Amino acid sequence: AQTVTQSQPEMSVQEAETVTLSCTYDTSESDYYLFWYKQPPSRQMILVIRQEAYKQQNATENRFSVNFQKAAKSFSLKISDSQLGDAAMYFCALYNFNKFYFGSGTKLNVKP
Amino acid sequence: DTAVSQTPKYLVTQMGNDKSIKCEQNLGHDTMYWYKQDSKKFLKIMFSYNNKELIINETVPNRFSPKSPDKAHLNLHINSLELGDSAVYFCASSREPGQGYNEQFFGPGTRLTVL
Repeated sequence: AQTVTQSQPEMSVQEAETVTLSCTYDTSESDYYLFWYKQPPSRQMILVIRQEAYKQQNATENRFSVNFQKAAKSFSLKISDSQLGDAAMYFCALYNFNKFYFGSGTKLNVKP
Repeated sequence: DTAVSQTPKYLVTQMGNDKSIKCEQNLGHDTMYWYKQDSKKFLKIMFSYNNKELIINETVPNRFSPKSPDKAHLNLHINSLELGDSAVYFCASSREPGQGYNEQFFGPGTRLTVL
């Protein structure tokens, strides 16, 4: 079975500061992909960052980076220089067998 | 231009009614999906079609029936609506699944409220 766990239902960060969102997952497969999606109030699911499990190097996309610990099955998202527009629900997801398995989400508040 | 579109964006209806949600993608993708996001924001796949053929069918009540008239469309028909069907339904599309990963593009979602 594939599961994704986000243990932080809600987090807050001051504008311009850094925040890290946690995610752990479970899979018996060796080949899979991990994602962070952002869902603003508009409900649109927006891909933030992607990590291939076979790659050891952590993915980065501008202010977004991940800390991928394959042995620990951990995949955290770091947002640097937080902006008001980063406020949203963030979903961690595992992709395997043509299906996504999503975590329950973390609501990120950004304080001006 | 909208890549994946859904209609309607909001749907309010009474228990027991039958309703449909439409999804269209103009990306030339072969595969389309329906996801359900419940009140706790938990997002879970329901169905997947590849070239009009059902390839993923999660444990979903028979009242839910996807219909794919062509590979650019995947509609979701729901019979005898129940209160628990209230959720946001997302359509998504991707290139044909195979080895590796093909990015899924999500529609804007349809918020269904059953009264």
